[in-house]
Amino acid sequence: GEDVEQSLFLSVREGDSSVINCTYTDSSSTYLYWYKQEPGAGLQLLTYIFSNMDMKQDQRLTVLLNKKDKHLSLRIADTQTGDSAIYFCAEGFPGDTGRRALTFGSGTRLQVQP
Amino acid sequence: DSGVTQTPKHLITATGQRVTLRCSPRSGDLSVYWYQQSLDQGLQFLIHYYNGEERAKGNILERFSAQQFPDLHSELNLSSLELGDSALYFCASSVVEGGPEAFFGQGTRLTVV
Repeated sequence: GEDVEQSLFLSVREGDSSVINCTYTDSSSTYLYWYKQEPGAGLQLLTYIFSNMDMKQDQRLTVLLNKKDKHLSLRIADTQTGDSAIYFCAEGFPGDTGRRALTFGSGTRLQVQP
Repeated sequence: DSGVTQTPKHLITATGQRVTLRCSPRSGDLSVYWYQQSLDQGLQFLIHYYNGEERAKGNILERFSAQQFPDLHSELNLSSLELGDSALYFCASSVVEGGPEAFFGQGTRLTVV
């Protein structure tokens, strides 16, 4: 079945770049997503990338997709303390009624040191 | 604010009881998904409804059921509750079937004592 894996923890200093990595197994993945969860809050959709793209940039966020290696990364430039949260990688296609909506990784806790 | 509303935010109940969690999707969204987030299992997909019809089932226990009403709000019913059912339950909605974006509510934290 589908599987999404992420490292559990990342610590960076304020102002540095953060890179959160994710690998997935389903070669038919259509979309890949990054969600952010702050303590006690819901999941906030940060960005997503279609599987035929290599890169997507959105302000401080850069998503890189290596489809051959099934590797997805999220780079946060100029990381701020407000970026401290858990970041979830997910794959799937919400409109696909033949399978589950999104498969999530276990989340990477990003800690930003002042 | 994602536009997806879940009530209640917190729920404490005893083992063996039954609860109903409610979700109102974003205006215009026909798809509703339910997820369970627990410390040991992570985020698990439970069930998907589209315009009132069940479309996909994930790891949903037989003690759990859901429905989507004509006004598109959805309810997740959890019965014969066990301690292990304590978790955050999220609802998400997406634009017309086929849209790639799924927006999550703030979740309902269920504590079974």
